[in-house]
Amino acid sequence: DTAVSQTPKYLVTQMGNDKSIKCEQNLGHDTMYWYKQDSKKFLKIMFSYNNKELIINETVPNRFSPKSPDKAHLNLHINSLELGDSAVYFCASSPLGGLAGVNNEQFFGPGTRLTVL
Amino acid sequence: AQSVTQLDSHVSVSEGTPVLLRCNYSSSYSPSLFWYVQHPNKGLQLLLKYTSAATLVKGINGFEAEFKKSETSFHLTKPSAHMSDAAEYFCVVYNQGGKLIFGQGTELSVKP
Repeated sequence: DTAVSQTPKYLVTQMGNDKSIKCEQNLGHDTMYWYKQDSKKFLKIMFSYNNKELIINETVPNRFSPKSPDKAHLNLHINSLELGDSAVYFCASSPLGGLAGVNNEQFFGPGTRLTVL
Repeated sequence: AQSVTQLDSHVSVSEGTPVLLRCNYSSSYSPSLFWYVQHPNKGLQLLLKYTSAATLVKGINGFEAEFKKSETSFHLTKPSAHMSDAAEYFCVVYNQGGKLIFGQGTELSVKP
């Protein structure tokens, strides 16, 4: 059984388009995350939701809008895509987040490779 | 602020020889530290974590890491490399803001 799944796995699109990436976890975790991995493989957190509420919002352009319809899902919508948005986006989940989650393992999805042309 | 520095961007070893991936951390309090592995075109998987219990931490696939406060280090080791160990390895610290802060990554190559 897949623990954290993302769709699509690959996404190729033109500049200026709007696209969404979906994430689902079947682990019963309360907290979910979005990370961006750039071309040099550097990973940085973008957002975190705990039980559908936003708890971490890094300095990310407001063209990026996460949405959590329930605690098992965290989607990422990106408006007006730019070349610099090309990256691999990872979804993750953990039992708890914030300071309570300090010892928690985060479980990562397989990633979505976004290419903006 | 918490941070980690991985001292080598690329390490190459021969199969059957020891692996050493180096990580130094910076933290104003006792940190929670992790090593994650990323195989090509895959997500990240936890290898091991240190959470202020035993300083020598054993992980999956024969990896272990030792927390050394005096040296602010958390190096990852394995006695004998296997071809399947070829991957990208990330040293990670959990900061007070509830975020994982990743190192720059070390690419491990294993030669036959």
